[in-house]
Amino acid sequence: AQSVTQPDIHITVSEGASLELRCNYSYGATPYLFWYVQSPGQGLQLLLKYFSGDTLVQGIKGFEAEFKRSQSSFNLRKPSVHWSDAAEYFCAVDGGNTGNQFYFGTGTSLTVIP
Amino acid sequence: NAGVTQTPKFRILKIGQSMTLQCTQDMNHNYMYWYRQDPGMGLKLIYYSVGAGITDKGEVPNGYNVSRSTTEDFPLRLELAAPSQTSVYFCASRNTEAFFGQGTRLTVV
Repeated sequence: AQSVTQPDIHITVSEGASLELRCNYSYGATPYLFWYVQSPGQGLQLLLKYFSGDTLVQGIKGFEAEFKRSQSSFNLRKPSVHWSDAAEYFCAVDGGNTGNQFYFGTGTSLTVIP
Repeated sequence: NAGVTQTPKFRILKIGQSMTLQCTQDMNHNYMYWYRQDPGMGLKLIYYSVGAGITDKGEVPNGYNVSRSTTEDFPLRLELAAPSQTSVYFCASRNTEAFFGQGTRLTVV
């Protein structure tokens, strides 16, 4: 069965500092991978996605993520965090053309301090 | 573009009451999903559909039912509301990435 693990429940960073949010997945083949962001009281917005090809993908709002097959990871990064980045971040996995379900990790809550 | 529309946004139910959460998408997506979100638990898949007339259970289907008579609509039915169903419910549709509605905050008292 597919699963997604986000080891960090909560992260606090200073504004302007770099950020890395971890995501590990368990899946037999190469899945489709996604990062979503959720602001308080809002729905989920797609930050970026990986299907195939270049393992470093760029997203919106200055975020990027790197797919590492050997580590079954898809970590999200941002070089310099802004106060507006404070939100909940979810990693998600899709079974691609072999599965119909769409699974989410438990999320990482990001606090940004001035 | 409306995208994915959920109604209502908020609802309070008494134990044992029933209700239907509505979800409509205008992107002609075949795949649609219902999730519930509880604090610290992420999003749990309740039911999903791969097209009109086809539905299947997700991780936490007990206490819920769905139907998919059209491509656009995917309503979620709660027959006998229980306090454990207090949650925020999200509907999503997708072709590749998923698009989400704004959520329905349901409280069962």
